[in-house]
Amino acid sequence: RKEVEQDPGPFNVPEGATVAFNCTYSNSASQSFFWYRQDCRKEPKLLMSVYSSGNEDGRFTAQLNRASQYISLLIRDSKLSDSATYLCVVNEAGAQKLVFGQGTRLTINP
Amino acid sequence: DAMVIQNPRYQVTQFGKPVTLSCSQTLNHNVMYWYQQKSSQAPKLLFHYYDKDFNNEADTPDNFQSRRPNTSFCFLDIRSPGLGDAAMYLCATSRDYLAGNNEQFFGPGTRLTVL
Repeated sequence: RKEVEQDPGPFNVPEGATVAFNCTYSNSASQSFFWYRQDCRKEPKLLMSVYSSGNEDGRFTAQLNRASQYISLLIRDSKLSDSATYLCVVNEAGAQKLVFGQGTRLTINP
Repeated sequence: DAMVIQNPRYQVTQFGKPVTLSCSQTLNHNVMYWYQQKSSQAPKLLFHYYDKDFNNEADTPDNFQSRRPNTSFCFLDIRSPGLGDAAMYLCATSRDYLAGNNEQFFGPGTRLTVL
């Protein structure tokens, strides 16, 4: 079983739609959680951290469910510029590395 | 204002011919990482340096080596590239180990082609 699993997609949605991604992680000791965004042939960039209470940044909402070991990302009012691959990332407390999911590819259509 | 710089952006090498990829950072971060990312796959950590301390991942082939001569620079050496080593190689830095939400900053990557 992969440490971090995501639906690879692709997700194709019209502009303005709401889209949600889920991610599951296998290590219950994981303590920190992130969503990274990666554009085609570019490097990953931090989109947002995910906090236990859930957090929002503009059109983006991230939630964490520790009991079920999953993380979600909700994008509201999607824009063409949201087209990218979204990587779910976790790390254990005190661990020296991040573990990346495979990524979910999203295409927003005009 | 580039913070993590990788050179070259594209590298072509021949099967078995040693190749070196370079990474430099202007952030004065303690930790530097090297990842391998193949198409439609997650970035896979090869190794990292905390300052001068080298930390190898258990499943990183011996074919991959690294050097960090100073805080700013880190090199990835592939001693005998095989066709399966064609990938994007990403360098990243973080100020310290991932306590709390310490962010990793990635360079633009070097895309390696092996002929």
